[in-house]
Amino acid sequence: GAVVSQHPSWVICKSGTSVKIECRSLDFQATTMFWYRQFPKQSLMLMATSNEGSKATYEQGVEKDKFLINHASLTLSTLTVTSAHPEDSSFYICSASQGYYNEQFFGPGTRLTVL
Amino acid sequence: DAKTTQPPSMDCAEGRAANLPCNHSTISGNEYVYWYRQIHSQGPQYIIHGLKNNETNEMASLIITEDRKSSTLILPHATLRDTAVYYCIVRVANSGGSNYKLTFGKGTLLTVNP
Repeated sequence: GAVVSQHPSWVICKSGTSVKIECRSLDFQATTMFWYRQFPKQSLMLMATSNEGSKATYEQGVEKDKFLINHASLTLSTLTVTSAHPEDSSFYICSASQGYYNEQFFGPGTRLTVL
Repeated sequence: DAKTTQPPSMDCAEGRAANLPCNHSTISGNEYVYWYRQIHSQGPQYIIHGLKNNETNEMASLIITEDRKSSTLILPHATLRDTAVYYCIVRVANSGGSNYKLTFGKGTLLTVNP
């Protein structure tokens, strides 16, 4: 099956700093990538959908100026959590797809802890 | 809101078949039934999907009722490594529908016991 990687797998940062998380599709070209977050003991919640070369579409309640998404190539999307606060601590997971309606392949997730 | 209903938890003995039910009574004609699972602290893993016919792959079988209002995921010989949260999701898989997103509900925590 298709492989999606995320980097870093975990990160600890101080409140007020910014953190960048990378999502890469290793063996296929992903025209569409999705970013999810998962709080402890809860399910995955979609944050945004991005298409290569265009602006991301954010879900209701997700601040686009706080969670910056860049999908500059067919194999790489990045999520930057700006001015992170403890409430942003979560498990961030990306998925990659060859289109909106195609199967999504998930990365292993990045655990963010903001002190 | 998730369009599926699943039991919160189930237990299964190692080596036995695990049958995970899912209700999706409001499923539309162009929506498929997808199953994913999430092992603790990992990203979700695709298992199988189907429209109306039963499907089988190397991981599992998917049985969909004739009226498509419910389905069952079958792991034929469960192992300890199958312990995970299993998510049943309905979404369109062809262009023209708006429900392309994967909406994760609470899923079923399957615990496989030795």
